[in-house]
Amino acid sequence: QVQLQESGPGLVKPSETLSLTCAVSGYSISSGYYWGWIRQPPGKGLEWIGSIYHSGSTYYNPSLKSRVTISVDTSKNQFSLKLSSVTAADTAVYYCARHKPGANFDYWGQGTLVTVSS
Amino acid sequence: SYVLTQPPSVSVAPGQTARITCGGNNIGSKSVHWYQQKPGQAPVLVVYDDSDRPSGIPERFSGSNSGNTATLTISRVEAGDEADYYCQVWDSSSDHPYVFGTGTKVTVL
Repeated sequence: QVQLQESGPGLVKPSETLSLTCAVSGYSISSGYYWGWIRQPPGKGLEWIGSIYHSGSTYYNPSLKSRVTISVDTSKNQFSLKLSSVTAADTAVYYCARHKPGANFDYWGQGTLVTVSS
Repeated sequence: SYVLTQPPSVSVAPGQTARITCGGNNIGSKSVHWYQQKPGQAPVLVVYDDSDRPSGIPERFSGSNSGNTATLTISRVEAGDEADYYCQVWDSSSDHPYVFGTGTKVTVL
């Protein structure tokens, strides 16, 4: 059974960098699929942030592209998200998920709430 | 970027049928996926590629897609179906390819 688990600080100060990691079990990242990040502000809808392939190929939501970096560590079977210069508008539950290119997100992590506040 | 519009809410009595629409320009030409999200939980894929169900999803969940509207249909609605539902497509022509709908809250009366 594929499982994803997000981890990282739950509180980040404005202007700092949000960093999260998604650990994958039950499936080798190197075997294929894309690995993405999606966020959901409190009481609002879902927003795709970006995705990465095991080769390191990435693509990002243009509205966040200047602040987002997604990387992969196949040796640890995990991938990571960095979002710089955060503001209160970046407060959200952040999910990691697996998907095929151009398709649906079939496995999701449980999500982690990140609050941006001083 | 591509926009998907859903009604904010749908109310349905137990045992009846709920229909949730997802509107988008020529959405019939795209594959539509549907997710169920219960409070405090991650989204769960309930329908993919317009009308296919992942393993473990009841046959009560079905989907269709044509023209400018995709529809998720929940038959014989149960109390446990109360949740938010999101549609999602991949827009190959966009630099923002993974698009989610605005979400619909299904309330079981």
